[in-house]
Amino acid sequence: AQKITQTQPGMFVQEKEAVTLDCTYDTSDPSYGLFWYKQPSSGEMIFLIYQGSYDQQNATEGRYSLNFQKARKSANLVISASQLGDSAMYFCAMRGFNTNAGKSTFGDGTTLTVKP
Amino acid sequence: DGGITQSPKYLFRKEGQNVTLSCEQNLNHDAMYWYRQDPGQGLRLIYYSQIVNDFQKGDIAEGYSVSREKKESFPLTVTSAQKNPTAFYLCASIGGAATNTGELFFGEGSRLTVL
Repeated sequence: AQKITQTQPGMFVQEKEAVTLDCTYDTSDPSYGLFWYKQPSSGEMIFLIYQGSYDQQNATEGRYSLNFQKARKSANLVISASQLGDSAMYFCAMRGFNTNAGKSTFGDGTTLTVKP
Repeated sequence: DGGITQSPKYLFRKEGQNVTLSCEQNLNHDAMYWYRQDPGQGLRLIYYSQIVNDFQKGDIAEGYSVSREKKESFPLTVTSAQKNPTAFYLCASIGGAATNTGELFFGEGSRLTVL
């Protein structure tokens, strides 16, 4: 089994500041991948960043970085220099490579609002 | 351009009726997925298929059925047995060498409302 927990239903951040969205996970698989997606009000799902459980370094993609702490089972998303267009719902997800291969599990999401 | 096409975008259904949501992909992906999203909530897995003519139940399969007769197509039927079918439905796929590590590609979703 695998489970994703996002404990922040809503977050506010001032434009141009950084924000951290929390994600903790649990899985029975020894190897797995962690993902973050963005869902604007239009409903489309946009992939942001990926982290493999075996990766030694934290993933970065432009203004997005993933703060991966394996021992704590956390995979927090950091958005630097927030922009108004970052206002959206953000989902953390995971996929196991063994028992849970092929099955992606999502958290309940965090709604981020960027204030001008 | 390659992608996933879901239709219809909006659908209204009377109670007791079955309805089928279409999902077609031209990405040559092996694995396809159906998720349900309720307002303000996360995605829950209904069914997934990793190869043609094979599929597995997800976490909330009751009241739904699927088929996978072609690699490109993975239709979802919402049956009258589904007690609360009003929701946003998302189809996704992944394939090739990226099956484990790659991201899901999503369609634009189908919004089903039961009257």
